[in-house]
Amino acid sequence: DADVTQTPRNRITKTGKRIMLECSQTKGHDRMYWYRQDPGLGLRLIYYSFDVKDINKGEISDGYSVSRQAQAKFSLSLESAIPNQTALYFCATSDTGQGFRETQYFGPGTRLLVL
Amino acid sequence: GQQLNQSPQSMFIQEGEDVSMNCTSSSIFNTWLWYKQDPGEGPVLLIALYKAGELTSNGRLTAQFGITRKDSFLNISASIPSDVGIYFCAGQLGGGGADGLTFGKGTHLIIQP
Repeated sequence: DADVTQTPRNRITKTGKRIMLECSQTKGHDRMYWYRQDPGLGLRLIYYSFDVKDINKGEISDGYSVSRQAQAKFSLSLESAIPNQTALYFCATSDTGQGFRETQYFGPGTRLLVL
Repeated sequence: GQQLNQSPQSMFIQEGEDVSMNCTSSSIFNTWLWYKQDPGEGPVLLIALYKAGELTSNGRLTAQFGITRKDSFLNISASIPSDVGIYFCAGQLGGGGADGLTFGKGTHLIIQP
């Protein structure tokens, strides 16, 4: 079984709709992240969480919100989806037990299309 | 924010050739990571580097953490068809308040039979 899972894997929605992307991990990691990938732009950080009570904005948080429901779950919401949010979204986790030697592990991604 | 310049953007090579790609930064990083992404999948960690000057191998892959802490390279020897994909470098400042990785824009590796 995969250590980091994302649901759904693919989603088509319409402009103005609210949608939620979910991420679950069985690695027991404290830190979780949401990234967005666009062609030619690499991966950009949306939000990150160091533990259940900690939420931080990343480079491109506008238009997004997150919820850390438990250590193993981190959800990304688009309150009112717009077409330029069409992208590939990745969840990642890392273990603070490594100290400064942080290594992130990625889920399989959610492909989102906003019409 | 920090920016990573990754080059080349794409590579067209023959099977069996060696490959070299690199990343440079205007900022000093404490960690350099190299990932590979296959179509439809998430990035998978290939090599992690945590110390300036560190040279680490993983099979046919070798990566080095530059002594200035502002660059890193990845070499692939004797390329094979399954090496096709997008390779990303990623750097992290580290320390308290670490805010995730900064990624390069990727190197597309295409292997011609």
